[in-house]
Amino acid sequence: GQQVMQIPQYQHVQEGEDFTTYCNSSTTLSNIQWYKQRPGGHPVFLIQLVKSGEVKKQKRLTFQFGEAKKNSSLHITATQTTDVGTYFCAGLTGGSYIPTFGRGTSLIVHP
Amino acid sequence: NAGVTQTPKFQVLKTGQSMTLQCAQDMNHEYMSWYRQDPGMGLRLIHYSVGAGITDQGEVPNGYNVSRSTTEDFPLRLLSAAPSQTSVYFCASSYKGFLGEKLFFGSGTQLSVL
Repeated sequence: GQQVMQIPQYQHVQEGEDFTTYCNSSTTLSNIQWYKQRPGGHPVFLIQLVKSGEVKKQKRLTFQFGEAKKNSSLHITATQTTDVGTYFCAGLTGGSYIPTFGRGTSLIVHP
Repeated sequence: NAGVTQTPKFQVLKTGQSMTLQCAQDMNHEYMSWYRQDPGMGLRLIHYSVGAGITDQGEVPNGYNVSRSTTEDFPLRLLSAAPSQTSVYFCASSYKGFLGEKLFFGSGTQLSVL
């Protein structure tokens, strides 16, 4: 079955440093979604990427979808303590509305 | 709109007990699903439904039952609780879009089985 691998599992950064999490799929995806889960909270949708090579920005967050639609990344510039949480990617294959989640990357920001 | 509502927020069970986790959404979403979240394991799909009267198994369905008699409700039943079912459970819903739609999650149920 489809697998979505996400690395790293954890990332410690000093406030102000950049952060990147990577997602790789064993199969070609139709689209990929990103979610953020704050400690003790529930996952919240951030963005969906659909097109090959697509790049989207939300303030300090930059999301990329690979040319082959098998990988994606989330980059945060100049992290803040409010960025703390676990970031999940979730890939969908053609015709499916059932996303397969990666295991997530937990971001810890030290002030 | 309340969104996706899960009850209870916390539950402690003894091994062998049964219980139902409730999930309701008021957004008229066709698609509903249940996930469990364990440390380092991400979100694993238990069961899902693409509409009233239709359910299917996800990645980890054993020990759980679901039904979807209405569009709004999607309860998850634990038939005979086991310590391995200690986890945080999330219900999610979305529209059934062609390219996939964003999931709305409930606030979760933290379940401990002793």
